[in-house]
Amino acid sequence: DVKVTQSSRYLVKRTGEKVFLECVQDMDHENMFWYRQDPGLGLRLIYFSYDVKMKEKGDIPEGYSVSREKKERFSLILESASTNQTSMYLCASSPLAAYEQYFGPGTRLTVT
Amino acid sequence: AQKVTQAQTEISVVEKEDVTLDCVYETRDTTYYLFWYKQPPSGELVFLIRRNSFDEQNEISGRYSWNFQKSTSSFNFTITASQVVDSAVYFCALSGGFSGGYNKLIFGAGTRLAVHP
Repeated sequence: DVKVTQSSRYLVKRTGEKVFLECVQDMDHENMFWYRQDPGLGLRLIYFSYDVKMKEKGDIPEGYSVSREKKERFSLILESASTNQTSMYLCASSPLAAYEQYFGPGTRLTVT
Repeated sequence: AQKVTQAQTEISVVEKEDVTLDCVYETRDTTYYLFWYKQPPSGELVFLIRRNSFDEQNEISGRYSWNFQKSTSSFNFTITASQVVDSAVYFCALSGGFSGGYNKLIFGAGTRLAVHP
């Protein structure tokens, strides 16, 4: 079974703080993804990575950065958290492009 | 541009009813992939099906079935004899294809299904 784990289920941070969200997958997948989920908007891709140290912007990268130093780990960084980044953040991995993505349980981030 | 539309925001049914969730997509690619995911109240998205654009055969898996029609750009999902455990948000998604990138999934806004006893 593919397992994607995220470092926290719930997180509360203050405006301006630097926030790290971590994701780990155990299936040796090449691709990893970060999405945010907001009511009525579905899931929107923030960044993805197709190899170690490689990354590509998704549809809403502004205010975020990512890091992938090891194949199994993909981190999402909010350099200076803002209230409009309050959301559910979902990490996913997939073995190849256009294959199904496997999702972690999500991190509900609240920025106050 | 790629787009996925799930026009039904919420559906409420009584157990044992059949229910169809609609999905309409837009793409200029000839090769693309379509997906359905289920998000139960626990929050974790569960993969249900992947279909490529060259395979228009309908698929059945237990009480679940999918109808893919390229002529109408639709990939609808039917649950037969619904059960309370089917209550969830269901997402339809489209892979970006050549123009958008196969790694990218474009999700619809989701349909919340409530099945009442």
